[in-house]
Amino acid sequence: AQKITQTQPGMFVQEKEAVTLDCTYDTSDQSYGLFWYKQPSSGEMIFLIYQGSYDEQNATEGRYSLNFQKARKSANLVISASQLGDSAMYFCAMREGVNNNDMRFGAGTRLTVKP
Amino acid sequence: DVKVTQSSRYLVKRTGEKVFLECVQDMDHENMFWYRQDPGLGLRLIYFSYDVKMKEKGDIPEGYSVSREKKERFSLILESASTNQTSMYLCASSSRRREGTDTQYFGPGTRLTVL
Repeated sequence: AQKITQTQPGMFVQEKEAVTLDCTYDTSDQSYGLFWYKQPSSGEMIFLIYQGSYDEQNATEGRYSLNFQKARKSANLVISASQLGDSAMYFCAMREGVNNNDMRFGAGTRLTVKP
Repeated sequence: DVKVTQSSRYLVKRTGEKVFLECVQDMDHENMFWYRQDPGLGLRLIYFSYDVKMKEKGDIPEGYSVSREKKERFSLILESASTNQTSMYLCASSSRRREGTDTQYFGPGTRLTVL
């Protein structure tokens, strides 16, 4: 069964506007972590933001924030004030288990920022 | 600055050839991972290693093997390359502890084409 679902294969946003990238997840664990990565055309995966399942506040990192709705099992990424350099693939991922070696990724969303 | 390097950015091989993809990390991480990335499927785990000479199968190990003789190096081996192994291969590493934002760090990827 799919553990991480990203329903938007592609998204467009106007420069300087905000955009939300959707991510839903499926787990029976009480303790888990949620991650977002950015993959520019160069190919390297860049870690953006993390949300722990017990964190009460939504994570923020600069222009990135994570809209965590635990009951809905969603962890949407919000990018504010989009820049042309934000154009990339974005992957949502979830880590389960007691060891730091079990990560599941979504299919990704390609974001294009228009000038 | 954390660093994961992969031996090649682009590789072209012929069907039936034996292929070695090398990954080196300089962060003294216990865990290392090999993923393949295909459009619409996200990242899928092939193998991971949690210590020297230790390995575990991921979701799609068929057609692949791995080797970890030193802590910093993790090799992916395609014993007899086939065209359906044409893909982007990403290596990652992480520390063993499962704490907060401790994430996986990725290399730049190797785009393998099997003719």
